[in-house]
Amino acid sequence: SQQGEEDPQALSIQEGENATMNCSYKTSINNLQWYRQNSGRGLVHLILIRSNEREKHSGRLRVTLDTSKKSSSLLITASRAADTASYFCATSGNTPLVFGKGTRLSVIA
Amino acid sequence: DAGITQSPRHKVTETGTPVTLRCHQTENHRYMYWYRQDPGHGLRLIHYSYGVKDTDKGEVSDGYSVSRSKTEDFLLTLESATSSQTSVYFCAISGTGDLNEQFFGPGTRLTVL
Repeated sequence: SQQGEEDPQALSIQEGENATMNCSYKTSINNLQWYRQNSGRGLVHLILIRSNEREKHSGRLRVTLDTSKKSSSLLITASRAADTASYFCATSGNTPLVFGKGTRLSVIA
Repeated sequence: DAGITQSPRHKVTETGTPVTLRCHQTENHRYMYWYRQDPGHGLRLIHYSYGVKDTDKGEVSDGYSVSRSKTEDFLLTLESATSSQTSVYFCAISGTGDLNEQFFGPGTRLTVL
């Protein structure tokens, strides 16, 4: 069964706006990862945040992790049409990565 | 997708026939994974390998078997394909398990009629 659950399932924004998607999980983790998937392609790793970290940045991406609430958020700032994709969180604990069902992001030019 | 190839990329087969999908890596990574992706279910782990001849089951392993005789190759076999196994199959690799990121192949679209 899925460990991570992304919210919302789908998000549509205008180019230049910020996009925020959330991930909730159920059990303790070692780290949480975010991946992007463009239509018809494999997943691409975006960023990893360890359980002892609270926030991490990579370019226009900002990830937060709240282990007390078992939740994470991914913020994409100043979105572009090329950011249109599905975004997945994946949790790592004592088992292989478990992926959520994803958030489908559409950025309208 | 660099360093990971999957073959075939597309396959149409009939119910009851055996099917083997191949994942090949040139990164010398220890861990290899097979996932299936279906609408409404996201990405689900079928089997994974943590070394040559070392494999373990994932969340949805029923009806699938795997083999890894060389570091670079990980085979997924559907002994007798069923329509419920129509899906997109992804192979992934990682260097030191889940602490590191996984790298994904381009996927294989399998249709079982």
